[in-house]
Amino acid sequence: EVQLVESGGGLVKPGGSLRLSCAASGFTFSSYSMNWVRQAPGKGLEWVSSISSSSSYIYYADSVKGRFTISRDNAKNSLYLQMNSLRAEDTAVYYCARADRVARIGDCGMDVWGQGTTVTVSS
Amino acid sequence: SYVLTQPPSVSVAPGQTARITCGGNNIGSKSVHWYQQKPGQAPVLVVYDDSDRPSGIPERFSGSNSGNTATLTISRVEAGDEADYYCQVWDSSSDSVVFGGGTKLTVL
Repeated sequence: EVQLVESGGGLVKPGGSLRLSCAASGFTFSSYSMNWVRQAPGKGLEWVSSISSSSSYIYYADSVKGRFTISRDNAKNSLYLQMNSLRAEDTAVYYCARADRVARIGDCGMDVWGQGTTVTVSS
Repeated sequence: SYVLTQPPSVSVAPGQTARITCGGNNIGSKSVHWYQQKPGQAPVLVVYDDSDRPSGIPERFSGSNSGNTATLTISRVEAGDEADYYCQVWDSSSDSVVFGGGTKLTVL
């Protein structure tokens, strides 16, 4: 079964850091670009970051650029999001999602999503 | 940055056709993808590349894209189609993924 499982969410104070993980299974992880998408409480979807299959291409939303770092370990079938200098507005459910086709980043849909992990930034 | 505009809500009676629009400057030149999200669940891709359906998505879901408007059409709407729907494109000028604000589909 194709599956993505996020972990690492929690409660953190403003200015703090958190590292999210996404474990992939059931497909050849190293062939697909991956994405992080978040959803604030009661709000819509917001793209956070994308990384190509070999980590050669990385893109960030302006709202997180310079604070968040996306990375992956193809040997461990895992995707990561290092979040620093967290703000209240970063509070959201964070989803990892797979590109809908091999060897494509950006101009494609996202066909497999995890269940999400909740990040709450509050003092 | 590129902006996608969706109506906040659309209502339709069971068995009728729902049309959800996604407006953007010359969106017809981009590939549009659509997601369905039910409360408490992760999004599900229902249409990709304007009009293609992933395996397992009913034929009742279809899409079109031309000019400044892309449209997700749901035929013979069922109660189970009630959800939030989001359009998405890639903005090559800013190397970013863009989502529309979402449309809540209510089945009367």
